[in-house]
Amino acid sequence: GNSVTQMEGPVTLSEEAFLTINCTYTATGYPSLFWYVQYPGEGLQLLLKATKADDKGSNKGFEATYRKETTSFHLEKGSVQVSDSAVYFCALSDKDNFNKFYFGSGTKLNVKP
Amino acid sequence: DTGVSQDPRHKITKRGQNVTFRCDPISEHNRLYWYRQTLGQGPEFLTYFQNEAQLEKSRLLSDRFSAERPKGSFSTLEIQRTEQGDSAMYLCASSPGVGSHQYFGAGTRLSVL
Repeated sequence: GNSVTQMEGPVTLSEEAFLTINCTYTATGYPSLFWYVQYPGEGLQLLLKATKADDKGSNKGFEATYRKETTSFHLEKGSVQVSDSAVYFCALSDKDNFNKFYFGSGTKLNVKP
Repeated sequence: DTGVSQDPRHKITKRGQNVTFRCDPISEHNRLYWYRQTLGQGPEFLTYFQNEAQLEKSRLLSDRFSAERPKGSFSTLEIQRTEQGDSAMYLCASSPGVGSHQYFGAGTRLSVL
């Protein structure tokens, strides 16, 4: 079946630190992979995506590379800001099943000034 | 494009009462999804509509739950005889079709007392 596992939080970093949030997946086909971000009181927003192996998604300084050999899609940012504090969700979509989404449990990021 | 809208944002009800939530997707998005998110977890798939047809229902959707999308536009999710275990955030998402990501609303938070 399909599933997503991501590192547990919370992750607490100082401003300008390097961020990595690990995400691994299990899939029966060839899914698309996503990172969504959820700010307090708001809905999930797409942060970045990758649709096939070796694709790199990037947005707002965040990056993630679709690694089929390690079934991973780790999120990275070189220098975090206080405004990056949020909950980050890794997800995959089953393209053979109406793009049904499977989410990880989320990782809360706290960035301190 | 006004985004996915959900109403109400918060609902407090007593155990045994019926509740109904509404979702207005982005106009012309033919795909609509409902998810449930409990504290500290990622969203879990409940059901999917393509236009007005409900094509998939999760085992999480017991007989007390029913969803409709009568004209292929807005959707409603009804929970009958609510139980304390139904307390969660109910998220709606829409998508224009294959290959696109899902756009999420801010959710309806249900508290069953």
